[in-house]
Amino acid sequence: EVQLVESGGGLVQPGRSLRLSCTASGFTFGEYSMSWVRQAPGKGLEWVGFIRSKAYGGTTEYAASVKGRFTISRDESKSIAYLQMNSLKTEDTAVYYCARTDYDGNNYIFDYWGQGTLVTVSS
Amino acid sequence: SYELTQPPSVSVSPGQTASITCSGDRLGNKYVYWYQQKPGQSPVLVIYRDSMRPSGIPERFSGSNSGNTATLTISGTQAMDEADYYCQAWDSSTGVFGGGAKLTVL
Repeated sequence: EVQLVESGGGLVQPGRSLRLSCTASGFTFGEYSMSWVRQAPGKGLEWVGFIRSKAYGGTTEYAASVKGRFTISRDESKSIAYLQMNSLKTEDTAVYYCARTDYDGNNYIFDYWGQGTLVTVSS
Repeated sequence: SYELTQPPSVSVSPGQTASITCSGDRLGNKYVYWYQQKPGQSPVLVIYRDSMRPSGIPERFSGSNSGNTATLTISGTQAMDEADYYCQAWDSSTGVFGGGAKLTVL
């Protein structure tokens, strides 16, 4: 059974940093890309970014709203994807989901999602 | 930047057909994905590549995409289908979600 468990959320002051983890199990982690998607309270889904599998170069893509502040990485040995968030702003407050991301031609599918972890940026 | 537009809300009577639209510039040239999110739960993929259903998704869910509009259709809508539905597409390796449509079954 595919399982994705996010952790690391919490309350953080504006301008500070936080690192989220997504621990995967139930599938061969190295064969999949991994994405982060967030949802501000009462709002819709917003794509944050993703990291490709090693087979596709392990490269990353980011939304314009987080580019230069957020970094996605992965540890194949531990089956964990990370989201390093720096220079946090109040508008980054959201539930952060990780999603297994399957390659679909020139596109990607978010085929399994974690339960999410809440990040609150406030002074 | 690329944008996808959905109606904020859609209402349907039980047993009837619900249609949720998603509009974007030349959207028919892209694949569209649909995600269902029930209150307090994580999103679930219900349609990929415009019209394909993942295993475990009921046959009453279908999709189409042409021109500037993609449509998620739920035939014989059930109370359990009440949820937020998000369309999603890719634009130059950037993921884009629609604003979401709240489906009310009443």
